[in-house]
Amino acid sequence: NAGVTQTPKFQVLKTGQSMTLQCAQDMNHEYMSWYRQDPGMGLRLIHYSVGAGITDQGEVPNGYNVSRSTTEDFPLRLLSAAPSQTSVYFCASGGPGNQPQHFGDGTRLSIL
Amino acid sequence: ILNVEQSPQSLHVQEGDSTNFTCSFPSSNFYALHWYRWETAKSPEALFVMTLNGDEKKKGRISATLNTKEGYSYLYIKGSQPEDSATYLCAPDRGSTLGRLYFGRGTQLTVWP
Repeated sequence: NAGVTQTPKFQVLKTGQSMTLQCAQDMNHEYMSWYRQDPGMGLRLIHYSVGAGITDQGEVPNGYNVSRSTTEDFPLRLLSAAPSQTSVYFCASGGPGNQPQHFGDGTRLSIL
Repeated sequence: ILNVEQSPQSLHVQEGDSTNFTCSFPSSNFYALHWYRWETAKSPEALFVMTLNGDEKKKGRISATLNTKEGYSYLYIKGSQPEDSATYLCAPDRGSTLGRLYFGRGTQLTVWP
């Protein structure tokens, strides 16, 4: 009963490096989203998707790319890591209509 | 980006006290209002998704009400327990941007034994 699976759980990067945070869900949900959690800022939406092949920006999209080639997977790419991207990243998925979102366990990312 | 306000920002109560907090959101183009409970070092968990004006939902000692015309929701906890200590988040879902949730900054509740 996996739900939403995020990998890795922890990662340390150097400034300028690139990496991909993985997110997979096994609930056949249409909606998937990426959030970042920063102290005092709550959860801020980075990118979201309403189905395979469809993505759109949230409130803090700069420095991140996403794609949705399958219903199950929604990877988040950091193109050139910056210290300002040090954060905890959460992936979430949900069904259509008034369905709640299910969150992964998060990825703690540090950029040195 | 939606202007979602939650108050108070933090709350400290004694075990057994009842408490409530507020989520304010734009009433235009409303579709649903989500409430989540977020414990430290864990991921957010859904409490309620509410859609109808006047709706009231209950889960154990936690309940919530919704006023879509004026754009607010109240979350109540009756007889708070230390295990209720968490941050409570709300997020409106708008009809024009379904599935795109913009969260408030949350109310951090601490219940002292």
